[in-house]
Formats: sequence, structure tokens, C-alpha cells
Amino acid sequence: ETGVTQTPRHLVMGMTNKKSLKCEQHLGHNAMYWYKQSAKKPLELMFVYNFKEQTENNSVPSRFSPECPNSSHLFLHLHTLQPEDSALYLCASSHGGGNQPQHFGDGTRLSIL
Amino acid sequence: RKEVEQDPGPFNVPEGATVAFNCTYSNSASQSFFWYRQDCRKEPKLLMSVYSSGNEDGRFTAQLNRASQYISLLIRDSKLSDSATYLCVVNVGGYSSASKIIFGSGTRLSIRP
Repeated sequence: ETGVTQTPRHLVMGMTNKKSLKCEQHLGHNAMYWYKQSAKKPLELMFVYNFKEQTENNSVPSRFSPECPNSSHLFLHLHTLQPEDSALYLCASSHGGGNQPQHFGDGTRLSIL
Repeated sequence: RKEVEQDPGPFNVPEGATVAFNCTYSNSASQSFFWYRQDCRKEPKLLMSVYSSGNEDGRFTAQLNRASQYISLLIRDSKLSDSATYLCVVNVGGYSSASKIIFGSGTRLSIRP
């Protein structure tokens, strides 16, 4: 079983809705990540938090808003999304440092109507 | 040129065969390298880290060639359960940076009975 838990597993929302994705890790890691995986595209890194501080924002539109209240929890707040935002959103965690492998959650499959 | 490039495949090989994939990277300052596998509609899972001296884990061997800027994965005596997409991952940000992690598009492998 994965030590990284994501909820919900599936989400369908309209373009005017506001929803949040949740990620929790039980591995004692201090870095957490959000990725987007669209069909036939590589994983795209969206946000990185290290010790609760955001260290990376890869030019992600402001309709995606991350929140990291502590090293174990990560949220992705969504509002006024577009159909092209439909994708699998994956959360990962690792010990800090780029030479550490990441552990992924099962992902949230998001569909925008 | 893509930062991390993989042959998308699919590679279709019989059970028991040996198969190898390469992955090229463009940033010569890249520090850390990994192979992940991703099953259909599942999250990526770490297969192995890739060390400068090369490393082996059972039927899997990973090699790094810094001069030519590629890493390779060799699978011996392939099993049906090896069918998956294999993702090459490169950290270009240095050992202290958790953020500059680039995923390749993946190579699809299908093992037939």
C-alpha cells in the first residue's frame, strides 16, 4: 500500500465550481509535489514544497492554488478550471534533496465539464 | 531538443527475452537519475535509482553514461508482469534541490506469452 494518500480518487466538476484535492503522506518526508499527467504527455511538475515552503511554481495558472499547512499534508485548490485541465493529478513526497526518489499517491482523475 | 527523451515504443517482446531501453538527457549538469514504472491508470513507482558505477537489482540493470548523456535499463528473462510503461527521470537541479525533476514521456513495454 502506498504511504501517500490522495482524495478524492475521481472528481467531475463544472468550470465554475470550486473544489480541492487533498494529499497526505505517512512516510516522514519533508518535500511534497503536485504533478499533472495528461493523456500521451509526460508528467508535468506543478508545485514543490520543501519543509512547508513553496520552492517551485512551474508557471502554473492561478486557477490552481496549492496549500501546504504542514509537511504531511498538501492541498490543491481548484477554481474556474478549463476543459484542458482534465487530467490525472498526482501527489508525491520525498526526503528533501534532488537525489531522493519520490513516492506517489494513486492520483485524482479530474474531469472538467 | 527535449530535456529528457525516450523511445515511446511500444516494445513487444516474448516472455523470457532480454530487452533494453535508453533515455537521453540534454543538461550535462544533471545529477540524479531514476527509472520508474507506471502501470496503466496507476501511479508511477520507483524501480531503481541509477548510480554512476551502474547498478543491478535482480533481473534489472541500470547504467549511466555521462559522456554521452544517457541512461539505460536492461531487463533480463522478462516476465508478463514486466509489461508497463518505464519512465526515465532526471534531476537537473543538484543534490540540494528537490525541484528540477524532469520525467520522460515513457517507453511502453509489452511482454507476450
